[in-house]
Amino acid sequence: RKEVEQDPGPFNVPEGATVAFNCTYSNSASQSFFWYRQDCRKEPKLLMSVYSSGNEDGRFTAQLNRASQYISLLIRDSKLSDSATYLCVVNMGYGGSQGNLIFGKGTKLSVKP
Amino acid sequence: DADVTQTPRNRITKTGKRIMLECSQTKGHDRMYWYRQDPGLGLRLIYYSFDVKDINKGEISDGYSVSRQAQAKFSLSLESAIPNQTALYFCATSDWGDRGNAEAFFGQGTRLTVV
Repeated sequence: RKEVEQDPGPFNVPEGATVAFNCTYSNSASQSFFWYRQDCRKEPKLLMSVYSSGNEDGRFTAQLNRASQYISLLIRDSKLSDSATYLCVVNMGYGGSQGNLIFGKGTKLSVKP
Repeated sequence: DADVTQTPRNRITKTGKRIMLECSQTKGHDRMYWYRQDPGLGLRLIYYSFDVKDINKGEISDGYSVSRQAQAKFSLSLESAIPNQTALYFCATSDWGDRGNAEAFFGQGTRLTVV
């Protein structure tokens, strides 16, 4: 099993749609979780951190289910500007080599007019 | 100015040549990383360093080496470049938060082509 797995996508949705991305991680000792956004040929940038039971930021909601080792990202009222690749990122745990950030392969979202 | 700066931004080199990619940061972070990104494969960790005296191999370190010259500088070398090292390379830094790694900040990337 891959350390961090995401929906392969691409997701093609109309403006105003609600879209959800899923991510699973293999290491139960993982401590922190993030969603990053990457525009084409650009560097990834933090979208949201997910530390406990989840959090919301405007149209974006991230959820964490530790028992199922599952993270989700919900985007409501999609905008054209939301078109990007969304990366699920997991910190494998505290200390030493377990302090790495492991990236999923990303899910591409395309929002159409 | 960018907090994490990579040089060069683009490079074309020949097979067998040695090449160095440089990364410097003004974030004051101890942790620095080198990733490569290939279409369909996502970001893969090459090497990481948690402080100046600490160097660790990542998922795909073969064919690469690194040097942590100072807290702010982390360079990646390809001793003898080969075509399958053609990729987009990212340097990143992060701090160590109370819950583990805090947010990672990325450089703008170096697009390397080996011909």
